[in-house]
Amino acid sequence: EAQVTQNPRYLITVTGKKLTVTCSQNMNHEYMSWYRQDPGLGLRQIYYSMNVEVTDKGDVPEGYKVSRKEKRNFPLILESPSPNQTSLYFCASSLSGGIRGKSEAFFGQGTRLTVV
Amino acid sequence: LAKTTQPISMDSYEGQEVNITCSHNNIATNDYITWYQQFPSQGPRFIIQGYKTKVTNEVASLFIPADRKSSTLSLPRVSLSDTAVYYCLVGPLGSGYALNFGKGTSLLVTP
Repeated sequence: EAQVTQNPRYLITVTGKKLTVTCSQNMNHEYMSWYRQDPGLGLRQIYYSMNVEVTDKGDVPEGYKVSRKEKRNFPLILESPSPNQTSLYFCASSLSGGIRGKSEAFFGQGTRLTVV
Repeated sequence: LAKTTQPISMDSYEGQEVNITCSHNNIATNDYITWYQQFPSQGPRFIIQGYKTKVTNEVASLFIPADRKSSTLSLPRVSLSDTAVYYCLVGPLGSGYALNFGKGTSLLVTP
């Protein structure tokens, strides 16, 4: 089954304690992205990757790091989490070329992060 | 990427047809129109995509007029489970690495 898998689904942590949210896709997609979703602000892109070892900042990259060492994995790293990073996070993947009529992004189930 | 405008919210009763219109005046020649659905605390899910005229699948229909400056997502005979946020996105094929979701339209279906 084609899917994007995020772990963990829920995480409560303390300020300053480094954490990693993993994301893996089994569709051989070139593109992968991370978004955060906050009430009233919608979905905002944090980082994206267009292929292995190719990453770039999205709209809200401050406080986050990513890496793309393998095509299937795109972990999100919070080196020193702060309460303002409490949010719902989504990982997504998609094909680079796009297929007419069905060029879509697939999203993970989400990770609800609380930083206290 | 072209900016889109959609209603913030809509209400409907079960069994009715719901039409959500999206305005995208600055759509480019190579842009496609894509709609996503998002349930609370879940990731967005692709519904339908089109370039012009009409596209239909098992879930919805998408109507695009000749000038392509707007589009309408049509959900036939909605049920309570169609309560969700619907996003209209405009961009070229293969732009999935940077999706601009905007605020979307929150659809509430009631009995």
